[in-house]
Amino acid sequence: QQQVKQSPQSLIVQKGGISIINCAYENTAFDYFPWYQQFPGKGPALLIAIRPDVSEKKEGRFTISFNKSAKQFSLHIMDSQPGDSATYFCAASGNNNDMRFGAGTRLTVKP
Amino acid sequence: NAGVMQNPRHLVRRRGQEARLRCSPMKGHSHVYWYRQLPEEGLKFMVYLQKENIIDESGMPKERFSAEFPKEGPSILRIQQVVRGDSAAYFCASSPQTYNEQFFGPGTRLTVL
Repeated sequence: QQQVKQSPQSLIVQKGGISIINCAYENTAFDYFPWYQQFPGKGPALLIAIRPDVSEKKEGRFTISFNKSAKQFSLHIMDSQPGDSATYFCAASGNNNDMRFGAGTRLTVKP
Repeated sequence: NAGVMQNPRHLVRRRGQEARLRCSPMKGHSHVYWYRQLPEEGLKFMVYLQKENIIDESGMPKERFSAEFPKEGPSILRIQQVVRGDSAAYFCASSPQTYNEQFFGPGTRLTVL
């Protein structure tokens, strides 16, 4: 079963715009929510992560917003750049390291 | 500090042959995970191992696939009697003992002819 649902499947944003990717999870035992960035032909790279004790985490242009009651979290990329064009995966895991990934969002930032 | 290493990076096999994929975790990491990624799709969990133990293999096909993480040496994902549907990118990730952060290797791209 799909434990983490991610949307949209693809996203096109103009340079300088805000990219927003959403994820929802089902398992309330999940307590760690990372985002990964993957370029073609490469492995996923950890971008930013959050735990449910905070509602927001910001690192540079990347922000995670977390809504525990709704079991949803999102990635915001501010001032999106063409170099941000990649596939982004959200994920969720619990105490036993059982990480489950969303299906991915292909982001294209147009110059 | 070297990252997660996988080899080979590319592997071509004919139907019915065996494929062996290797993964060396980051130094100090004792947890290894294998994922499969089909073209234009997400990462599908296959198996989670610690040294000499399989912790969770709920994502592994019941036949032809096996994994191990011996006391010494890399983790091995073994696919016997490969079929064309096994063609995919296989990624290994590792994590430290007490954290959830998983760090991925560059992947092995398996092509079955």
